[in-house]
Amino acid sequence: LAKTTQPISMDSYEGQEVNITCSHNNIATNDYITWYQQFPSQGPRFIIQGYKTKVTNEVASLFIPADRKSSTLSLPRVSLSDTAVYYCLVAPSMDTGRRALTFGSGTRLQVQP
Amino acid sequence: KAGVTQTPRYLIKTRGQQVTLSCSPISGHRSVSWYQQTPGQGLQFLFEYFSETQRNKGNFPGRFSGRQFSNSRSEMNVSTLELGDSALYLCASSWDGGLRHTEAFFGQGTRLTVV
Repeated sequence: LAKTTQPISMDSYEGQEVNITCSHNNIATNDYITWYQQFPSQGPRFIIQGYKTKVTNEVASLFIPADRKSSTLSLPRVSLSDTAVYYCLVAPSMDTGRRALTFGSGTRLQVQP
Repeated sequence: KAGVTQTPRYLIKTRGQQVTLSCSPISGHRSVSWYQQTPGQGLQFLFEYFSETQRNKGNFPGRFSGRQFSNSRSEMNVSTLELGDSALYLCASSWDGGLRHTEAFFGQGTRLTVV
């Protein structure tokens, strides 16, 4: 399973755009990149998933360069409620039927007023 | 539709005892995974069940076991509890049609404290 590396923590202010970058040098051809958000004492919540280029939904954008060795989660205009831990995962390949998600240490985002 | 339901939410047990945690997946989801989360080790995969069969297993001792019923509900059991088993146990369900990637939906977890 591809290992991911992301910053341990980040600080931001309300209204700013936050970009969290994750490196996954050993990503496999069939792997997808997935980001989860977790609040204290709650289960992680799916944010966004992508394979290459750019994916956008109502919550965030995900930028993946052509070599797919890294990805960047972009949160536009963060608010206090975005304070959470963000995990970058390389989703298991559908071809092998693996379903074990490997969570790294995550990035603790602290949004200040 | 209802999310993933885990019961109980909180549990206090004594060392040496055993415990059973329950997880009801989202209706229609057949894959159920279990994770342990501790401050020191983070989120770690325990095992995954699909159609009543354990399909994947993490690196945990045999004291940790699980099962899945025909209605996809799952239970995990920890025997001979140790202080280090104190953790947030999370269950995740996903639809597994085998055709595309799907997201895992997590429950709120069961906070187990071993004293």
